[in-house]
Amino acid sequence: QITLKESGPTLVKPTQTLTLTCTFSGFSLSTSGVGVGWIRQPPGKALEWLALIYWDDDKRYSPSLKSRLTITKDTSKNQVVLTMTNMDPVDTATYYCARMLAGSTSQDYWGQGTLVTVSS
Amino acid sequence: DIQMTQSPSSLSASVGDRVTITCRSSQSIISYLNWYQQKPGKAPKLLIYAASNLQSGVPSRFSGSGSGTDFTLTISSLQPEDLATYYCEQSYSTPWTFGQGTKVEIK
Repeated sequence: QITLKESGPTLVKPTQTLTLTCTFSGFSLSTSGVGVGWIRQPPGKALEWLALIYWDDDKRYSPSLKSRLTITKDTSKNQVVLTMTNMDPVDTATYYCARMLAGSTSQDYWGQGTLVTVSS
Repeated sequence: DIQMTQSPSSLSASVGDRVTITCRSSQSIISYLNWYQQKPGKAPKLLIYAASNLQSGVPSRFSGSGSGTDFTLTISSLQPEDLATYYCEQSYSTPWTFGQGTKVEIK
């Protein structure tokens, strides 16, 4: 059974750095063709793709957020961590992590999401 | 970035109706097009990948078609549990991008 779960703070202040952890089970991020990505969704708005890390440590970022994002993996812990610097109220959103398979280039399993509010 | 445009933004249909949602990309994405269903308060769920491949466990009333820049998601017979917002996504090049969503309501 494949599961993913996001964890991290629910409230951050403007200018702070957000650190989110995706803990997964049922697959390995050392398996060829596997990746884990992050997607966010502001309240009432559409989905926005943020970043992706592949099994071989190749990393991809949204160009509009690249300067603020870092994605890393800890294969032994089955975790992927996303950090976002200089948080702003417009970054208030539900943040999802999801598994990606290179063969289908789609996110086939998603976490439940975690709502992060940016407010002073 | 590749822009994805969905239409309509919302629709209302009766149970049993055939429903079609379209998605257009700003450049050719070959068949790197995915469809997701998001029910209220829930995470998105993959329905269709690579334009026309039904994800395991997804009912056969869902189907996808298209290539290049124009794609379609069809629900052959709308069911009450299909109340949701549907998103297309291109995975041809990063950043992967989503359409703005189509909200499907039941009359």
